[in-house]
Amino acid sequence: GENVEQHPSTLSVQEGDSAVIKCTYSDSASNYFPWYKQELGKGPQLIIDIRSNVGEKKDQRIAVTLNKTAKHFSLHITETQPEDSAVYFCAALGNVGKSTFGDGTTLTVKP
Amino acid sequence: AAGVIQSPRHLIKEKRETATLKCYPIPRHDTVYWYQQGPGQDPQFLISFYEKMQSDKGSIPDRFSAQQFSDYHSELNMSSLELGDSALYFCASSLGAQAGASNQPQHFGDGTRLSIL
Repeated sequence: GENVEQHPSTLSVQEGDSAVIKCTYSDSASNYFPWYKQELGKGPQLIIDIRSNVGEKKDQRIAVTLNKTAKHFSLHITETQPEDSAVYFCAALGNVGKSTFGDGTTLTVKP
Repeated sequence: AAGVIQSPRHLIKEKRETATLKCYPIPRHDTVYWYQQGPGQDPQFLISFYEKMQSDKGSIPDRFSAQQFSDYHSELNMSSLELGDSALYFCASSLGAQAGASNQPQHFGDGTRLSIL
């Protein structure tokens, strides 16, 4: 089955700095890679996703890059704000649809 | 916009009791997924349904069962509850995740927090 590794497990940045979270996956059949933000007491919220036929996608301050050959993908948050503080999960999916999640990254943005 | 609705939000049970969790997907979504999230852990896939048929099965114990109804809502039935079943249970919904189709974004509810005493 699919295995997703996520690094770092914790990340602390100063407001305004950039944050980068990296994930690797094992199954070359995986073709869809979403990123979720989870705040305390809430469910994971989809913030950006990328498909295997695309190398990069951007949405305002958030971008995701995918390297299919190396089987890794990364989340980039620029101009971080305190409200970006949360746990972020990457995930990988094949054609059946079940998500395999990374272990999560706790991001803290200090004012 | 309408989101995934889960009920109840909190549930307290004792060992060996049963529990039923409910999930109402986003309107027109025909696929639901159930996940279990332990404290400080990532969500673990349990089971999914597409058009009322089970589409995939993950690490769901035999004590648990689930189904999707004609109105696309889903219920997770849990029996002989154990202390280790204490967790957050999330439901997610999406459009058409049958085998071979392109994955569609999954939208999560805010979960049911199940506590076993």
